[in-house]
Amino acid sequence: SQKIEQNSEALNIQEGKTATLTCNYTNYSPAYLQWYRQDPGRGPVFLLLIRENEKEKRKERLKVTFDTTLKQSLFHITASQPADSATYLCALDPMDSSYKLIFGSGTRLLVRP
Amino acid sequence: DTAVSQTPKYLVTQMGNDKSIKCEQNLGHDTMYWYKQDSKKFLKIMFSYNNKELIINETVPNRFSPKSPDKAHLNLHINSLELGDSAVYFCASSPDGNGYTFGSGTRLTVV
Repeated sequence: SQKIEQNSEALNIQEGKTATLTCNYTNYSPAYLQWYRQDPGRGPVFLLLIRENEKEKRKERLKVTFDTTLKQSLFHITASQPADSATYLCALDPMDSSYKLIFGSGTRLLVRP
Repeated sequence: DTAVSQTPKYLVTQMGNDKSIKCEQNLGHDTMYWYKQDSKKFLKIMFSYNNKELIINETVPNRFSPKSPDKAHLNLHINSLELGDSAVYFCASSPDGNGYTFGSGTRLTVV
């Protein structure tokens, strides 16, 4: 069956450290993968998109990698800050011409001051 | 200016009632969506519209009926509400499926 899996356990790290979140998928062949941030009571906010022919993408303190062989994307936040505390969602296009994104269940990140 | 706005933000209603949620986007995007986020925070696609045409209806009960009067609006009407419909409903829009912009959500509680 098709699955997108993110670590359901919260990631708890110290301010200043690098946070690394994982997104694994099964039985999909996405052309791209996206990452979103969601704060409590708010809608998800788009952060980054990485295409299948891109190994890595950066935006300020954020870095995303995409390994189509491992079927995995890693999302890194360097020099993390308490304001980075949120739930991070990965999402992919199932490439069935259906105009939809399939979302993982998200990983909650907590950055301690 | 709010890019994707949906109203109301909160909706509490009794079982069996009919209710509507409205969504408007001012981004000029061609595609709009409705997603449902359940108590486990899992976001699931319900409908997508491209240029006012229905593209996806993801095994949603026919008590849910989306309507897109124009490219900037996608409303959701729900008939005969059930307890299991309680969730947060998000409207979103995107240009060609990339980088969705979400509304702030409508928390529906059916009692």
